[in-house]
Amino acid sequence: DIQMTQSPSSLSASVGDRVTITCRASRSIGNYLNWYQQKPGKAPKPLIYAASSLQSGVPSRFSGSGSGTEFSLTISGLQPEDFATYYCQQSSTTPMFTFGQGTKLEIK
Amino acid sequence: QVQLVESGGGVVQPGGSLRIACEGSGFSFSSYGMNWVRQAPGKGLERVAFIQYDGSDENYGDSVKGRFTVSRDNSKNTLYLQMNSLRPDDTAVYYCAKDVVAVSGDYYHYYMDVWGKGTTVIVSS
Repeated sequence: DIQMTQSPSSLSASVGDRVTITCRASRSIGNYLNWYQQKPGKAPKPLIYAASSLQSGVPSRFSGSGSGTEFSLTISGLQPEDFATYYCQQSSTTPMFTFGQGTKLEIK
Repeated sequence: QVQLVESGGGVVQPGGSLRIACEGSGFSFSSYGMNWVRQAPGKGLERVAFIQYDGSDENYGDSVKGRFTVSRDNSKNTLYLQMNSLRPDDTAVYYCAKDVVAVSGDYYHYYMDVWGKGTTVIVSS
């Protein structure tokens, strides 16, 4: 199985900051990497697929990059509604997807 | 609008069984693979089951293999998860999620684009 490891596990930032979350795969997954956002008590919402493609309707301050085993999600100019938990997910071994453990983004 | 609505969650004793359901609307349900993803209290996301658009193939996470069965009734736009031999560590919110594929050249990128609000399953005596 491919293991996905996110860092950091939690992160404090202020409105307007630029933040980056990293996701590492236990072996190469090409660009088969997706990112989701989850707010408390809500279902996850897709943000980015294929490592860097923005899901329709997602603000352009979100961006993704990476390939192989190392990926990142960057939010440029944090907004109050961006404070949430973020998950990466590999889709290389479809349909046996695996998620990272999540990164909780909190207000400083 | 595109919507998934789960139902059937509840409290069940260890060793018991439960069937949860997910009804889709606003899209061609029979054209898409479907997933069950669960989230234990305070924990991350775990995909537990997948079924192809026509029910021809199923896949399960290791933690539920042999105990859970996913099925679908495309005439009713409904996805099911039959859960047997339930354990306390199966306690979670269970989400259904629709698969979508983005094609880029020869590459197919799958992800889950629509999620239900979830149904809660509690396994406790």
